[in-house]
Amino acid sequence: GAVVSQHPSRVICKSGTSVKIECRSLDFQATTMFWYRQFPKQSLMLMATSNEGSKATYEQGVEKDKFLINHASLTLSTLTVTSAHPEDSSFYICSATRGGDTDTQYFGPGTRLTVL
Amino acid sequence: GNSVTQMEGPVTLSEEAFLTINCTYTATGYPSLFWYVQYPGEGLQLLLKATKADDKGSNKGFEATYRKETTSFHLEKGSVQVSDSAVYFCALSDLWDAGGTSYGKLTFGQGTILTVHP
Repeated sequence: GAVVSQHPSRVICKSGTSVKIECRSLDFQATTMFWYRQFPKQSLMLMATSNEGSKATYEQGVEKDKFLINHASLTLSTLTVTSAHPEDSSFYICSATRGGDTDTQYFGPGTRLTVL
Repeated sequence: GNSVTQMEGPVTLSEEAFLTINCTYTATGYPSLFWYVQYPGEGLQLLLKATKADDKGSNKGFEATYRKETTSFHLEKGSVQVSDSAVYFCALSDLWDAGGTSYGKLTFGQGTILTVHP
């Protein structure tokens, strides 16, 4: 149990376009979902925390108007990179926690975004 | 603020060798400690965790003990296999702040690349 999926796994887009990445908890209801960014050979950087039905909490330095997060249900959160630029190219990873075990995060496989 | 420092890699070992990956942390509250593993082309998977001082987490032959006195959570395995080749991340979750607010946010170390040769 505790499977998290992401879609798409890879996406290539042109500069200036917007890209939406979905994160789903497949077999549990996620009380909280997190979005991370991972640069090559580097650790994960937390971008934002989202709870179902409420606004996401962004980490310092993360532009909330550029990285739009919607957590519409207990099994789905989306990250939209708006007006993407080459510097937004990265590996985006989501995770989710479930009720009763809120200190353990279950991670999705990640989405590789390349902005040309 | 919270931080996690991991032993720098990459680490290269022969099969059946003993593995230690050091991890130390600083935290303002009462953290839970984790080791996550990322196999090539896959997402992070929880390897083991410990929620309080002196707890030992273990899984798949890996162990780590929560040492509050040395603020450490070193990962060990007595005999590594080729299939253990992956990136290992130490992390902490400072679940509760002094005011009793739940965060659940993870702070990661920089990751250690482990390669095991036959």
